[in-house]
Amino acid sequence: GAVVSQHPSWVICKSGTSVKIECRSLDFQATTMFWYRQFPKQSLMLMATSNEGSKATYEQGVEKDKFLINHASLTLSTLTVTSAHPEDSSFYICSARVVGGRSSYEQYFGPGTRLTVT
Amino acid sequence: GDSVTQMEGPVTLSEEAFLTINCTYTATGYPSLFWYVQYPGEGLQLLLKATKADDKGSNKGFEATYRKETTSFHLEKGSVQVSDSAVYFCALEDTGRRALTFGSGTRLQVQP
Repeated sequence: GAVVSQHPSWVICKSGTSVKIECRSLDFQATTMFWYRQFPKQSLMLMATSNEGSKATYEQGVEKDKFLINHASLTLSTLTVTSAHPEDSSFYICSARVVGGRSSYEQYFGPGTRLTVT
Repeated sequence: GDSVTQMEGPVTLSEEAFLTINCTYTATGYPSLFWYVQYPGEGLQLLLKATKADDKGSNKGFEATYRKETTSFHLEKGSVQVSDSAVYFCALEDTGRRALTFGSGTRLQVQP
């Protein structure tokens, strides 16, 4: 149980285009989903926290107009990288916290999406 | 702000060797501490946790003790197996936002 999927697992896009990444909780409902970014050989950096039905809360330094997050249902959150540039190339990971969960140990991670912008 | 520092890898061991991966943290208050493991092609999985000082988390033969005096949470296993090959992340959860701060990850390679 507690599986989180991401789609696509990897994507290559041209500079200036937009890319959407989906994060789904497959067998549980998640009121809160998190989006992380990971650079090679570096730690995961929290980008934003999204709660179902409300606006996402972005971490300091993350451009909310560039990284659009939508959390329209209890099982789906999407991250759209708008007008992507090569510096946006990274590994994006989502996680989902079970409904009623109050601690990070009830948070489950997706396998990640590798974005390459050419 | 909060931060987590863990030893750089890769760590290469022979099967049945003893494993230690060091992790130290900086945080205000009393965070909860975690070790996550990421197997190739899979998402991060919680390996073990400790929520207060002197707690010992354990799972699948791995152990880590929350040492407040040294702000450490080192991961240990007495006898590693090839199947333990993965990337290990140390993390802390702040008591306010319940957000995770991760270390940079340590790749473990176990050779038969």
